[in-house]
Amino acid sequence: AQTVTQSQPEMSVQEAETVTLSCTYDTSESDYYLFWYKQPPSRQMILVIRQEAYKQQNATENRFSVNFQKAAKSFSLKISDSQLGDAAMYFCAYRSETSGSRLTFGEGTQLTVNP
Amino acid sequence: AAGVIQSPRHLIKEKRETATLKCYPIPRHDTVYWYQQGPGQDPQFLISFYEKMQSDKGSIPDRFSAQQFSDYHSELNMSSLELGDSALYFCASRNAYNSPLHFGNGTRLTVT
Repeated sequence: AQTVTQSQPEMSVQEAETVTLSCTYDTSESDYYLFWYKQPPSRQMILVIRQEAYKQQNATENRFSVNFQKAAKSFSLKISDSQLGDAAMYFCAYRSETSGSRLTFGEGTQLTVNP
Repeated sequence: AAGVIQSPRHLIKEKRETATLKCYPIPRHDTVYWYQQGPGQDPQFLISFYEKMQSDKGSIPDRFSAQQFSDYHSELNMSSLELGDSALYFCASRNAYNSPLHFGNGTRLTVT
C-alpha cells in the first residue's frame, strides 16, 4: 500500500519569505500523481499544485512550486513571498491510476505565517 | 465556476441515529469520492463511484453505505451512529483520467 509522510507537523515563516514543506511517499508504481492541498481554518480542501510522475519538469503555480525527486520519492512544496493568507494546514497527497484512483494523504503540516 | 456542493453543512445527531449526507459533483464530473476527516487527522478515503458504480472501497464501516444516482449526485448513509463518527465528511469529484479531485466544503457531523 502506498504511504505518504509529512515529517513536519508545524512550520512557520515570516511574511514575504520562502518556506519549504517536505513530503515523502512510498510506492512500487511508476504511474502516479502527487498533489498539495491546502486546508485553511474554513476547513475547505483547496488544490494548490499537482505533479504527474512521468513529467521531469517541476510544476509551478505562481508563488508555489515543487521539487519532485522521483528516485528519492520526495515531493516538497516551496512557497515564495509568503502571505498571511497562506497560513493553513497543507496536505501532500498521492494518487495512483492503477489502484482505484483514491487519494492517500500525508498527516499534514500546519503552516503559520508571521507578520 | 460551479463547485462540489455538499449538504447539509452541519449535522447534529444522537448515538444510534441515522444520517444522510448528500453530494452534488461539478457538472460533467462522473466520479465521486467520500472522505472522512476526524479532528486533527488527515482525510481518510471511504468509498468512490464511477458512472454510478462503486469503483473503490476504503475504510468505510459496514454501518455506512453510499450510492451514486443517475444525475451523478451521491449520498452517504450512516446508521447506528457512534460518537467516533463525529468528523468532517468531504465529497470530491473529477471528470477524467488525470484530472485532480475537487473537494466540496464538507459536512461536519457531530454525534452526541
